[in-house]
Amino acid sequence: KAGVTQTPRYLIKTRGQQVTLSCSPISGHRSVSWYQQTPGQGLQFLFEYFSETQRNKGNFPGRFSGRQFSNSRSEMNVSTLELGDSALYLCASSPTTTSYEQYFGPGTRLTVT
Amino acid sequence: GNSVTQMEGPVTLSEEAFLTINCTYTATGYPSLFWYVQYPGEGLQLLLKATKADDKGSNKGFEATYRKETTSFHLEKGSVQVSDSAVYFCALRDPQGGSEKLVFGKGTKLTVNP
Repeated sequence: KAGVTQTPRYLIKTRGQQVTLSCSPISGHRSVSWYQQTPGQGLQFLFEYFSETQRNKGNFPGRFSGRQFSNSRSEMNVSTLELGDSALYLCASSPTTTSYEQYFGPGTRLTVT
Repeated sequence: GNSVTQMEGPVTLSEEAFLTINCTYTATGYPSLFWYVQYPGEGLQLLLKATKADDKGSNKGFEATYRKETTSFHLEKGSVQVSDSAVYFCALRDPQGGSEKLVFGKGTKLTVNP
């Protein structure tokens, strides 16, 4: 079974631009979560989706948004990029919202210049 | 709110040494506890988990016991290998929240020298 895939793996953007990151969960998984990883703040929860509905959202500004499609694939968007948005963005999937295991993708490394 | 505190790294050991990485948590209710490992350039991999008090999670020679009385979930391995070099994250999930959200510690970088 294929793992969680994230595209692109690396991205360089300029301040003020916007970016869209994509996540394809493991086949059959319906729950997708996103995390931001930075050296200073560590791993921080962004949002969680299940069956196309946002179930939970972390403490991030409105510039960060996401969505989930009917095939469980998810995208997150960051508008008006700031230097501080440079980070590794990780996506995780699980079968349901009551499972105990989340499977992480390799991440998308976003650099904002 | 929920939080996880891990021992500060980095930790450097020689091969075959004993490893302990301390982890304590603060949470409402009874969270599930996890250890994840991140190898260079990769995402997180679940190493082990425990879902209730006194549960012991184990995998690949690593162990951790859910201690409710001390709110701890320390990671141990009796004999580390060079291939264990990675960053280790302790995390909790509150099942009562009906959410998959994980709260992570800051991570502990382990380097094992031959």
